[in-house]
Amino acid sequence: ELKVEQNPLFLSMQEGKNYTIYCNYSTTSDRLYWYRQDPGKSLESLFVLLSNGAVKQEGRLMASLDTKARLSTLHITAAVHDLSATYFCAVDLTGNQFYFGTGTSLTVIP
Amino acid sequence: EAQVTQNPRYLITVTGKKLTVTCSQNMNHEYMSWYRQDPGLGLRQIYYSMNVEVTDKGDVPEGYKVSRKEKRNFPLILESPSPNQTSLYFCASRPFGRGETQYFGPGTRLLVL
Repeated sequence: ELKVEQNPLFLSMQEGKNYTIYCNYSTTSDRLYWYRQDPGKSLESLFVLLSNGAVKQEGRLMASLDTKARLSTLHITAAVHDLSATYFCAVDLTGNQFYFGTGTSLTVIP
Repeated sequence: EAQVTQNPRYLITVTGKKLTVTCSQNMNHEYMSWYRQDPGLGLRQIYYSMNVEVTDKGDVPEGYKVSRKEKRNFPLILESPSPNQTSLYFCASRPFGRGETQYFGPGTRLLVL
């Protein structure tokens, strides 16, 4: 069974600061996804990472994948309140089986 | 509008009373999947389907059934719900192809008394 761990589980950060969310997984995979969930809402796709060394950026968020270390990071630059949400990473094991991390609840404080 | 729809959005039921949660997508996606979300556990995959009449178990299939008779629909059936199936359920779909992301429905919040 594939295990996916996210750190931290809860993150409170001030506006304008930088921080990184980590996603570790236990079995080899080169397909990793990041999603955002606002309170009471569904999941929205942020990034798809498909190879070792892949890096994707959108606004203040940047995601990367190191398949050898089985690690993905989601870096937040100069946080703003609108980024407050829960962020999930998900690993694709076979193309059909998806394993999600426990989520990181991010609160950006003015 | 491209979307995944689920019904009902909220459901309160009693132990043992069979229920079905419907899921429909209008994007002609081959792949569909059901997840449950519980606090501290993230999302866990219940069942998935790669195409019509092709379904397989995910990580937590016990107590659930699915069927895929049409490409657009993928209902989740709880034949005899129990309180430990109280959860938030999401249906998702994606096109066939390596690395395609999933599109999630709005969720169904189920309470089993």
